[in-house]
Amino acid sequence: KQEVTQIPAALSVPEGENLVLNCSFTDSAIYNLQWFRQDPGKGLTSLLLIQSSQREQTSGRLNASLDKSSGRSTLYIAASQPGDSATYLCAAPQTGANNLFFGTGTRLTVIP
Amino acid sequence: DTGVSQDPRHKITKRGQNVTFRCDPISEHNRLYWYRQTLGQGPEFLTYFQNEAQLEKSRLLSDRFSAERPKGSFSTLEIQRTEQGDSAMYLCASSPRPGGKNEQFFGPGTRLTVL
Repeated sequence: KQEVTQIPAALSVPEGENLVLNCSFTDSAIYNLQWFRQDPGKGLTSLLLIQSSQREQTSGRLNASLDKSSGRSTLYIAASQPGDSATYLCAAPQTGANNLFFGTGTRLTVIP
Repeated sequence: DTGVSQDPRHKITKRGQNVTFRCDPISEHNRLYWYRQTLGQGPEFLTYFQNEAQLEKSRLLSDRFSAERPKGSFSTLEIQRTEQGDSAMYLCASSPRPGGKNEQFFGPGTRLTVL
């Protein structure tokens, strides 16, 4: 079974800092990996999807990388803003399955 | 709004009652998923439909849970004889036809509270 781990569980940074969120997964034969954002009490918003043939994907101030061989992905947020405060979830499928396995998330607080 | 929609957004019920949730996926997405999320945890997979066929079910989906997608469009998730342990956020997601990126898009969720 795919297991996804996210470190750290919580992170607090001052506005303007660059930061990195980490995700590791056990089944490296994945075809993609998704990063999501979740605001308190809300659903999930898809931020980035990296396909297995890609090593990086960028959207605005966000950059996600994927290293299948080591079972790791990172989400880099540049020039953090208070509006970035949320929980960030990493999710990956398992070989032969369509559903996603999620980590428990990193709760980010950006202090003005 | 062409995103995934869920109804109701909140449901409070008494233990032992039955509840039903609805999910409308993004139009033309033929794959639909149900997940459950408890406080402080990531979502956990419940079941998956491709068109109207229910192709995968998690062990979390006990006999009290049933899901349908009768015409391959919207889906319903019913919980019979609710228990306090069923209190959670129930999330629906959809993704396009196989062969693409299989990016999953989530709805706002239905928060269930069982008293």
